[in-house]
Amino acid sequence: KQEVTQIPAALSVPEGENLVLNCSFTDSAIYNLQWFRQDPGKGLTSLLLIQSSQREQTSGRLNASLDKSSGRSTLYIAASQPGDSATYLCAVWNYGQNFVFGPGTRLSVLP
Amino acid sequence: GAGVSQSPSNKVTEKGKDVELRCDPISGHTALYWYRQSLGQGLEFLIYFQGNSAPDKSGLPSDRFSAERTGGSVSTLTIQRTQQEDSAVYLCASGLAGGVDEQFFGPGTRLTVL
Repeated sequence: KQEVTQIPAALSVPEGENLVLNCSFTDSAIYNLQWFRQDPGKGLTSLLLIQSSQREQTSGRLNASLDKSSGRSTLYIAASQPGDSATYLCAVWNYGQNFVFGPGTRLSVLP
Repeated sequence: GAGVSQSPSNKVTEKGKDVELRCDPISGHTALYWYRQSLGQGLEFLIYFQGNSAPDKSGLPSDRFSAERTGGSVSTLTIQRTQQEDSAVYLCASGLAGGVDEQFFGPGTRLTVL
């Protein structure tokens, strides 16, 4: 059974810092991995999608990497801003055709 | 519409009643997903529709839960004989191709079972 974990559970940084969020999964038989952000009381916004054959994806200040063999992904946020404050979730789409989400990392960027 | 919409946005019901939650996906999206997020818990995958194919229902938490998708578009999630542990935010998402493409989420329906 696929299990997804994320560390840290919560992170607080001053504005302008670069930071890394970590995601681990136990079963490497995945189609892809997605990173989302969830703002309080709102739905999810997709940030980056990495196919299993890819190593990384970039969008603006965000860069996500995937090492499928070791079951790890990282989300790198450059020059963090207060508007980046949210919960960040990673999720894997398994060959068994279901999504498994991690518990999330709650990020606070202090002005 | 421009995005995924869900209705109602909030639903309060009494234990034992049936509820029906609706999801309108983005036009042209063939994949539709339902998730549940309980208070303080992570997202739980419930069911996934791809086009007109029969969905895999194994993620549904009990036989009180059912979902259908009519005409490959609108989907309804029905919970019969609701229990207090069913209280959660139910999220719907749609995408172009099941699992391999980006998912776009609706705002969710907050269900409270008294």
